[in-house]
Amino acid sequence: ILNVEQSPQSLHVQEGDSTNFTCSFPSSNFYALHWYRWETAKSPEALFVMTLNGDEKKKGRISATLNTKEGYSYLYIKGSQPEDSATYLCAFLPGNQFYFGTGTSLTVIP
Amino acid sequence: GAVVSQHPSWVICKSGTSVKIECRSLDFQATTMFWYRQFPKQSLMLMATSNEGSKATYEQGVEKDKFLINHASLTLSTLTVTSAHPEDSSFYICSAHGQGRQPQHFGDGTRLSIL
Repeated sequence: ILNVEQSPQSLHVQEGDSTNFTCSFPSSNFYALHWYRWETAKSPEALFVMTLNGDEKKKGRISATLNTKEGYSYLYIKGSQPEDSATYLCAFLPGNQFYFGTGTSLTVIP
Repeated sequence: GAVVSQHPSWVICKSGTSVKIECRSLDFQATTMFWYRQFPKQSLMLMATSNEGSKATYEQGVEKDKFLINHASLTLSTLTVTSAHPEDSSFYICSAHGQGRQPQHFGDGTRLSIL
């Protein structure tokens, strides 16, 4: 069984704070890594598709980095807003299969 | 962005009823569709993976005779919960995948309540 871990499991931050969390995956057979945002009462939505070691992707206040050699990706949120509250899922692809982490639940307190 | 439509969004029915859930990719061809179940306060649990024109691959512990999956075309997959019982009550969500490194695109989910 392939292990994808996300930490922390949950996080509470004040509005305006910056935060980050981690997705750890096996460092062999890397094909791609995805980040998804899953808001309550909605379906997961893809944020980033990361494919190369050293990749950095950015969408507004959210960015992600990738280190395939050591097997981790960081997701950063700058100046957190209440609307950023969601569960953030990563998915590791060693090929055509998807292995999801259990997610980091972020709550931004106004 | 890519759109996946899942219907119905909410079903309430009596025990013993069979329920069909549809998952359609509206603007792209989905080589693979995934069916997930979410238990309260937990993340997504993959139930099965279906490829167009072939039998679905079920995860360990998922009864294939209970959860029938059909992927008849590149835009439609269905999940039928046969003879549903209260323990089948859950949130079911589908996703569609085109190819390669593309992300999965998720439907809005179906809340199934069996009385």
